[in-house]
Amino acid sequence: DAMVIQNPRYQVTQFGKPVTLSCSQTLNHNVMYWYQQKSSQAPKLLFHYYDKDFNNEADTPDNFQSRRPNTSFCFLDIRSPGLGDAAMYLCATSRDPGLAGDNEQFFGPGTRLTVL
Amino acid sequence: QKEVEQNSGPLSVPEGAIASLNCTYSDRGSQSFFWYRQYSGKSPELIMSIYSNGDKEDGRFTAQLNKASQYVSLLIRDSQPSDSATYLCAVNIPDSGGGADGLTFGKGTHLIIQP
Repeated sequence: DAMVIQNPRYQVTQFGKPVTLSCSQTLNHNVMYWYQQKSSQAPKLLFHYYDKDFNNEADTPDNFQSRRPNTSFCFLDIRSPGLGDAAMYLCATSRDPGLAGDNEQFFGPGTRLTVL
Repeated sequence: QKEVEQNSGPLSVPEGAIASLNCTYSDRGSQSFFWYRQYSGKSPELIMSIYSNGDKEDGRFTAQLNKASQYVSLLIRDSQPSDSATYLCAVNIPDSGGGADGLTFGKGTHLIIQP
């Protein structure tokens, strides 16, 4: 089955220790997104890639970086995690960012990040 | 400012009844609208998408869109206990280049179906 996969599902890191979260997809979608969702809050878009074009949200902290080495994979790097970065990190994909019918986003299972 | 508003609930509905979930949005440029279901501790799951005014039905789910009123709703018929979840309304607003900046989500409505 075509799907969005995230690894690891649970990640524990120490304050200030860099961490990388992984997302892969077998849907062959052009767009990959990273969202942050804190407890009882709405998912918040961090950034997205349309093919190799990187689009950063204006209020995404510099502490968060992303890489997309190929169509299938996208990584979220948190350079110096703080306690406030503890959250569920969601990866999503779509065929197109804006075209009606092609802009449905499908989410992976998420990675729950704990910062000690 | 892109805003999507939902009543956080909880909304309690008896089993077998119709659950009605509502959402308003602020940006008149919004073109695409989505409903996601999210169980506690899980990721959002796409339930419905709607792009034009009117109703769209899929099984027990009906999405309704009124762009003039900037209002989108989700009806769940014959509600089941397994429908108990948080329902997120999401809006996709195109940018000037024909793309979009991803989804803006409401905070979600917590729905409880009482057996």
